[in-house]
Amino acid sequence: QSVLTQPPSVSAAPGQKVTISCSGSSSNIGNNYVSWYQQLPGTAPKLLIYENNKRPSGIPDRFSGSKSGTSATLGITGLQTGDEADYYCGTWDSSLSALLWVFGGGTKLTVL
Amino acid sequence: EVQLLESGGGLVQPGGSLRLSCAASGFTFSSYAMSWVRQAPGKGLEWVSAISGSGGSTYYADSVKGRFTISRDNSKNTLYLQMNSLRAEDTAVYYCAKGSNYVVGEYYYMDVWGKGTTVTVSS
Repeated sequence: QSVLTQPPSVSAAPGQKVTISCSGSSSNIGNNYVSWYQQLPGTAPKLLIYENNKRPSGIPDRFSGSKSGTSATLGITGLQTGDEADYYCGTWDSSLSALLWVFGGGTKLTVL
Repeated sequence: EVQLLESGGGLVQPGGSLRLSCAASGFTFSSYAMSWVRQAPGKGLEWVSAISGSGGSTYYADSVKGRFTISRDNSKNTLYLQMNSLRAEDTAVYYCAKGSNYVVGEYYYMDVWGKGTTVTVSS
């Protein structure tokens, strides 16, 4: 059971928009920045969004991030078949006087 | 170009040990914290450990605390993960990831990942 909760799967048609939620608590998302990672099939994860809503160079503006309270959201517009991947949110968790990085369980995006 | 190349994976018996290495290039290695992240077959990402740029601060997931040791040699631009008392549940692809800052904390994220090395714990 992951500390951060993501839907196991989402799907949408090409060209449409999809959002992926990431729910946590005050010890993690509520007091730390969230980053998002894309893992295409058979490859290593890749940074998609950092500090809640910033995109590294080379990441198209079709990808966006937001945070409100103890939840974060990844948005993808203009869906392409190449966006089919697993998406993970991550942040620090500072509960129980320990500092630990936590990932969400991952969300599999299917572009129908 | 920033590159991370993991090595040292393989097949090991339960209770055995293995040391993973991650050779870094293309950036000032000592200026960045580093992490190890693993992924069991068919499962999601699991953070394993992190270390500050100097090596003076280390952090571990509860699942590996007391069994794994993260370290770094800044003169060799190499990150290590010493894994002892290995269990079947440690079977995974282990990724090395470059941190965004010298220290971990609020602004930390993992901005570059290696391709991973596979560890299989089985008799």
